[in-house]
Order: sequence, then structure tokens, then C-alpha cells
Amino acid sequence: DGGITQSPKYLFRKEGQNVTLSCEQNLNHDAMYWYRQDPGQGLRLIYYSQIVNDFQKGDIAEGYSVSREKKESFPLTVTSAQKNPTAFYLCASSAETGPTLGRPQHFGDGTRLSIL
Amino acid sequence: SQKIEQNSEALNIQEGKTATLTCNYTNYSPAYLQWYRQDPGRGPVFLLLIRENEKEKRKERLKVTFDTTLKQSLFHITASQPADSATYLCALPPPPGYSNASKIIFGSGTRLSIRP
Repeated sequence: DGGITQSPKYLFRKEGQNVTLSCEQNLNHDAMYWYRQDPGQGLRLIYYSQIVNDFQKGDIAEGYSVSREKKESFPLTVTSAQKNPTAFYLCASSAETGPTLGRPQHFGDGTRLSIL
Repeated sequence: SQKIEQNSEALNIQEGKTATLTCNYTNYSPAYLQWYRQDPGRGPVFLLLIRENEKEKRKERLKVTFDTTLKQSLFHITASQPADSATYLCALPPPPGYSNASKIIFGSGTRLSIRP
């Protein structure tokens, strides 16, 4: 079955540590996204990528970094510069490229990151 | 700035009744609006898209309306079942000039509980 796989499901970060969240898709989608979800808030966009080797900052990119070396993979690194990293992180992909067409986003089941 | 409001954080209704969730937005007219379902600890799942030139869209027991005059979308679940209990999110594209980053903006969601 096609879909998006995020790992790990739970992750703990120590003070001053960088951690990397994995996101893999086999939907052959060009566009991939990382969101952060906090209780009672909507999803906030961290980074997105419309094509391999290219990505753009979202609304809350500070303290995060990404890479897009392969179409299938879009890992997110939460750096020590992110002072409030505790949240539910969601990766998504869509077939949408170019002008906005309203194509749905397909989400993974998230990684819950906590501070030790 | 663009704002999305979903009615109440939580909605509790009796099984068999129709659940109606509201999504209000301000400041511009989006080309489309999407609805997603999110279960606890899972990623959102796309349900329906409605475009600005469509008044109503149906899918099985789901019905979505889009009133561009009221700047509102209503999401109905008829003959509701306990299995419909979840958080429902609306999402729409950002207005021109709002943000170059956000591809779509998500509301914070309404948590729907269907009691037997």
C-alpha cells in the first residue's frame, strides 16, 4: 500500500542535542511538508519541498533544518536552537506542484517529541 | 491576517443525529476548502474538497457546504455513529500576500464525540 511512514513514533531529546525525524513516502509525490501540532492549535508549517534538492522555510522554521536528497525522503532535524521542541510532528506529501490546485495532503502518523 | 475559526473545541451529540461543524474564515475568498479527520495519535486524513463555485459536496454520510458570502463552510455527518468520533479540521489556501510559505492553513479543529 502506498503511504507515508514516519519514525520513530516517540522521541526524547536531551538538552543541547539535535534529533532527526524520518519521513519516507512511496506515493511518488513531488511535494513534501513538515508540520508541528500543539494542543488546541492548528498545524503550523515548518518546511516544505516541491522538488528534490530544493526546500523552503515555512512559518516556524527557526530551530529546524531539512534536506531533500531523494524524492521519497524528507528528514527533519530539530536542533538545539529550538527551545520549545515538545510537540507532535507530522509529515505530509501531495501531488500538488506549481499553482495551488487544492490537491489533498497525505499525512504520516506523526512523531511525538518530548524533552528529557 | 487570515483567520480560520472552527466552532467550539468540542461537540457532543447523540448517535443517529446529524453533527454539524462550522469553519469560518475572514478577509478573503479562498478558491477551495478542505476537510480532514484526525484520530488521536494519528495524522489527518483527507475527506472532502469543495471549490468556490460549488455550493455543496456529498460523500456517503458526509455533506459539505461552502457559502462564500457568509465566508463559512458547514460539515455535516448524518446518522452519526460512535466511530465518527474524531477531531475534524478545515483547511484552506492562504490569501495572496499572507505568506509565501504556507501552502494551506489549517484550523485548530473541532473534537466530535458521538455517544451511544
